Amino acid sequence: QVQLVQSGAEVKKPGASVKVSCKASGYTFTSYDINWVRQATGQGLEWMGWMNPNSGNTGYAQKFQGRVTMTRNTSISTAYMELSSLRSEDTAVYYCALYRGAFDIWGQGTMVTVSS
Amino acid sequence: QSALTQPRSVSGSPGQSVTISCTGTSSDVGGYNYVSWYQQHPGKAPKLMIYDVSKRPSGVPDRFSGSKSGNTASLTISGLQAEDEADYYCCSYAGSYTFGVFGTGTKVTVL
Repeated sequence: QVQLVQSGAEVKKPGASVKVSCKASGYTFTSYDINWVRQATGQGLEWMGWMNPNSGNTGYAQKFQGRVTMTRNTSISTAYMELSSLRSEDTAVYYCALYRGAFDIWGQGTMVTVSS
Repeated sequence: QSALTQPRSVSGSPGQSVTISCTGTSSDVGGYNYVSWYQQHPGKAPKLMIYDVSKRPSGVPDRFSGSKSGNTASLTISGLQAEDEADYYCCSYAGSYTFGVFGTGTKVTVL
């Protein structure tokens, strides 16, 4: 079955970077875009951007431009989201999601805590 | 891009119907038929319930239906059940490869 499995929880200090992975299985990795969405505790969903695993092309929400980088390793069917210059407001659960006309498959989420 | 506007909460008794609105602009909800709805239980990842305004993925009960008029989309849950108690988010494509403008979220309570 189609599945996205994300890396484990992270604790980072302000100013540091975090890189979250999202391993895909059950389909051809290069066939569909992968998006990243985050959710602060008790808050709503926030779209961060997308990546085409075939071409490597990306597009980022304006809010995250200059701080986020989405990449992939096609040999291991894994997508990555790196967020830099972390601040306390970046504390959230980060999800990868498969986009096939809508976000139809989601990873289990990765908790990133930014704390000094 | 601003978040789409949803009511903070709606409630209903088992068996009743509830409708959640999702208001955007002509640049997102009104401009494309790419509105989707997600159900999220506490501590869980969101689950796709409706896509392309009114289509249901396989496995989603037909109690869930979607529609759109102008800049406002709606999700209706008919025959409300206890397991429908969750947070619901709408989402719209907004052009220029902006795939996800999400709504503010609505908590559905089954009385």
